[in-house]
Amino acid sequence: GQNIDQPTEMTATEGAIVQINCTYQTSGFNGLFWYQQHAGEAPTFLSYNVLDGLEEKGRFSSFLSRSKGYSYLLLKELQMKDSASYLCAVTPRGGSTLGRLYFGRGTQLTVWP
Amino acid sequence: NAGVTQTPKFRVLKTGQSMTLLCAQDMNHEYMYWYRQDPGMGLRLIHYSVGEGTTAKGEVPDGYNVSRLKKQNFLLGLESAAPSQTSVYFCASSYSATSGSISYEQYFGPGTRLTVT
Repeated sequence: GQNIDQPTEMTATEGAIVQINCTYQTSGFNGLFWYQQHAGEAPTFLSYNVLDGLEEKGRFSSFLSRSKGYSYLLLKELQMKDSASYLCAVTPRGGSTLGRLYFGRGTQLTVWP
Repeated sequence: NAGVTQTPKFRVLKTGQSMTLLCAQDMNHEYMYWYRQDPGMGLRLIHYSVGEGTTAKGEVPDGYNVSRLKKQNFLLGLESAAPSQTSVYFCASSYSATSGSISYEQYFGPGTRLTVT
C-alpha cells in the first residue's frame, strides 16, 4: 500500500522562504513528483526526483531522501501568485502499477502581503 | 497542440441519470487516467488505462465504467448517478513510447465539475 503524508495548511509572507514536507511509505518506490494546483484549476507539474539530493529550478527546489522516505519542496522569494495547493505524489516501481501516481492530500499554502 | 481536453466543463445531473465524460489527448501518450477530487481528500484514482483497449481499476472504481477504444480518447461513464458522485473529475495522460525518454509525468485536463442532486 501507499501512505503519503503532508501538512494540510501553511502560511507565509511575501518574499519569505517556505518548506513543504512530504513523507511516504510505499511498497515499492521509483520517484516523487510535486505538483502545484491553483484554486479551480488543474494540477501542473513542478518537479520530479528519482535520486537522493536537491533539484533546483528557479525559485523552486525539491529534495529527496529515499532511505528516509522524505521529500520537501522549497519555495524562495514567495509571491502572492504562489498561493496554491502543493501536491506530493509517488510513483511505484514497475509491474502492474507502472505509470500510476499516488497523491497526498495536498498542502494549501497562503501567501500574505 | 491542445494537450489534454475534457468535455463537458460543468454538468448537473439528477440522481439516477447517466452521463459520459470525454477526455482527449494529442500527445500520443500510452497511459490515461481518471481522478476525482473532493475537498480534503486529494486526488483519487478511479480507473486508468495503459494502452488502447485496456482498462484497470483504481482506488475508487465503484459506480463508474471506462472505455479506451482509441488511443487518444478515454471515456468515463456514470450509469446511475448518485449525490456521492458530486465532485471535480480530472483526466490525465502520461508516457510516450516514442519520445525517447521514460517519463511518467502526468498532464492534466482542466476538469469537469459535476453536481448530482
